[in-house]
Amino acid sequence: DTAVSQTPKYLVTQMGNDKSIKCEQNLGHDTMYWYKQDSKKFLKIMFSYNNKELIINETVPNRFSPKSPDKAHLNLHINSLELGDSAVYFCASSQGGGTSTVRKLFFGSGTQLSVL
Amino acid sequence: SQELEQSPQSLIVQEGKNLTINCTSSKTLYGLYWYKQKYGEGLIFLMMLQKGGEEKSHEKITAKLDEKKQQSSLHITASQPSHAGIYLCGAEGSFGQGTELSVKP
Repeated sequence: DTAVSQTPKYLVTQMGNDKSIKCEQNLGHDTMYWYKQDSKKFLKIMFSYNNKELIINETVPNRFSPKSPDKAHLNLHINSLELGDSAVYFCASSQGGGTSTVRKLFFGSGTQLSVL
Repeated sequence: SQELEQSPQSLIVQEGKNLTINCTSSKTLYGLYWYKQKYGEGLIFLMMLQKGGEEKSHEKITAKLDEKKQQSSLHITASQPSHAGIYLCGAEGSFGQGTELSVKP
């Protein structure tokens, strides 16, 4: 049973399109995250949601919008895709959040987004 | 936010050799975790360190958090090709830039 699953695994699309990446966790965690890993393998947090409340947004363009219908899901919507959006996007979840809390993150297997 | 810097950024070792990866934080660490990413896959949790001076081992991988709690090291003994991948340290939601390890048979 996959703990954190995200779909699709690969996404190839044209510039200007709107796309979504879905993420689901079956661990009962209350916090979910989206990370972007660029071509240099640097992993950077984009968003996190705790009890349906956005608690971190690291200067991500507003073309990116997280949507959480319930605490087991955090989907990532991207509007007007640009070439620079090409990257691997990872979903993660944890129990507990906050900036001073040590928490173990469970990651999905990633979605490789290629914008042509 | 927490800033983590890893060194080296990449490492190529011969199978059987030992190696160390370092992670330095810009702030005091209340806890730090190490992950491994295999190419094209997600991140695999290795271990989490919370106390200054704490050391943990998993198979041939040992990680330590220094007593001042601003640096951690990951040590692999007798490296194997299966150890190849990207190692990332993380704290408070932030990650280092990763260390890419290649092990030559």
